[in-house]
Parts: sequence; structure tokens; C-alpha cells
Amino acid sequence: EPEVTQTPSHQVTQMGQEVILRCVPISNHLYFYWYRQILGQKVEFLVSFYNNEISEKSEIFDDQFSVERPDGSNFTLKIRSTKLEDSAMYFCASIPKGGLSFRGSPLHFGNGTRLTVT
Amino acid sequence: GDSVTQMEGPVTLSEEAFLTINCTYTATGYPSLFWYVQYPGEGLQLLLKATKADDKGSNKGFEATYRKETTSFHLEKGSVQVSDSAVYFCALSDDRNTGFQKLVFGTGTRLLVSP
Repeated sequence: EPEVTQTPSHQVTQMGQEVILRCVPISNHLYFYWYRQILGQKVEFLVSFYNNEISEKSEIFDDQFSVERPDGSNFTLKIRSTKLEDSAMYFCASIPKGGLSFRGSPLHFGNGTRLTVT
Repeated sequence: GDSVTQMEGPVTLSEEAFLTINCTYTATGYPSLFWYVQYPGEGLQLLLKATKADDKGSNKGFEATYRKETTSFHLEKGSVQVSDSAVYFCALSDDRNTGFQKLVFGTGTRLLVSP
């Protein structure tokens, strides 16, 4: 079964550094998402992306964050200048083109990237 | 805004015990409800879902019924196995908007099943 893949599985970076988290969504999917989970807290929506533009973003997704689909297969999340509070598990998710046309269509999640900011 | 509340974990059970993980929600619209599971080292996987009141979602022996009157979607399994040890997330999706399936998650409940 096709999977959403994320790399790396664990990223350690120093405060103030830029990081790029990478995701390869399932090939026929057209809607993409990033979620994150700070340890012990809820899984939170960050951003959704369709047709090469952001469709919705949360309050968390400030100017330090950006997303890109540079080559038609990868979907990246960039944090320009990481802060300690960015330490979390980041999940990429996708949904196929027809997935939004009926209620309850589930998102397909990757295994996540654990980001540790020191 | 919309929110999901689920019971604190960890929940520790012996094999073949009965499992209930409580989940309640608040939503201004008419959401779809989900349970996702995360096995160690893996991503979030859909376990089951329900899209309207009184629907029962079921999969792998797990069940949950969409109770609109109590705004609940409790997860149950009659006889748990060691392999069910994982973190379980209750979530809702407000489908009022036709776009972009934004999920709202609970905090997750860790289930530990011992032999």
C-alpha cells in the first residue's frame, strides 16, 4: 500500500538554525498538510496546501514557517530560525483528489520527523 | 473553536481485558469523528470513523459509536491483545467547509497491554 514518507526521522538542530523537513506524499494525492505534536500535548494543525499554495494555516504557522512543493513529488516544511519551543514531532499528511468530496475521508499520515532544538 | 477531550493515559490492561477509552468533543458544526492509532515508531493510522449520529465505526475488533446527544465517541474493544499497545487519538473533522479536511485531535491515550 502506498505510504507517505518523511525524512529524516529525527533531526537535531541548534536554536536559530534553519531546518527543512521533507515529505513525499502518496503519488496521486493533491492535498497536503503539516501537523505537529509537542511532547505530551495535542496533535495540532499547522498548514494545508493545494495547487501550489497555502489553503489554510493556523496561528502557529507564523512568518518563521514556510512550505513548498518544489518538484511535484516532495513537500517541505521550512523553519527559518528555530526556537526551543519548535521541538516536536512533525507529521505530514495527504489526501487524494477525490478525498474532499465525501464526509469522513481520512488523511494519510507519514511516520513523522522528531525535531529537537537545543 | 472545535475541540476534543480524551481520557488521560496510560491505560494499563492485561491481555483479554475490556478496553474503553473515553472521547468527547465540542463542535459548532456537524463533524465526522475518527480514531487514529500510532504504533511505536510509526505514523498515525486511521483505525475507524463515523460520519453521522448513531453510526458505529469498527475495525480490528475496536468499535466506537457517534453519540450526538452526549457528544461522545468512546473507543471500545472486548478483548485486548499485547499487539494493541499503542497511542490512540480521537479526532474530529468539521466538514462544513468543502475544502481541506482540518482534523482537530485529542491529546492521545497510551494503551499498554501486558501478557
